[in-house]
Amino acid sequence: GDSVTQMEGPVTLSEEAFLTINCTYTATGYPSLFWYVQYPGEGLQLLLKATKADDKGSNKGFEATYRKETTSFHLEKGSVQVSDSAVYFCALRHSGYSTLTFGKGTMLLVSP
Amino acid sequence: DADVTQTPRNRITKTGKRIMLECSQTKGHDRMYWYRQDPGLGLRLIYYSFDVKDINKGEISDGYSVSRQAQAKFSLSLESAIPNQTALYFCATSDQGYTDTQYFGPGTRLTVL
Repeated sequence: GDSVTQMEGPVTLSEEAFLTINCTYTATGYPSLFWYVQYPGEGLQLLLKATKADDKGSNKGFEATYRKETTSFHLEKGSVQVSDSAVYFCALRHSGYSTLTFGKGTMLLVSP
Repeated sequence: DADVTQTPRNRITKTGKRIMLECSQTKGHDRMYWYRQDPGLGLRLIYYSFDVKDINKGEISDGYSVSRQAQAKFSLSLESAIPNQTALYFCATSDQGYTDTQYFGPGTRLTVL
């Protein structure tokens, strides 16, 4: 079945550092890929998405590129802020379905 | 007002009790979902509904049941709660099209003693 693997956290960075959170997936066909973010005490919210190979999703300075050849969708940000501290989830939606398969989440902690 | 609301936000109960978690949405979406979140396990799908008459089991439906009372309301029940159902529960909604974005409620923290 489909699965998503994320790097384990927590990822601890200083403000203005470069961020990469790795995400790889296993799925047949051509899934859509997503990054969701969960701020402390809140539900998840969509951060960005990509629906086909080589698409780049971007939002709030975060980017991720759908790489079919490496089955990856790594999340990057050039300069993190304290307010980016949250848990980040990579997810996929299999073609033709509405349900999502989530990774285990990666906690990001940014210190001033 | 929030688009997706969940009640209660926190609940402590005892083993064997029946518990209902409620979800309401004002987004007008047809599709609704229930997930549970456990530390280190991410989110796992319990049940989902594509309309009032369409209910489907997710990855971990054992021990749970659901009711779709209306387009806007989707309830999750634990008929006889057990301690390993202690978790954070999220409701989510999405549109019928393939825009794919799921909108999550704030969550219900359930503790079963």
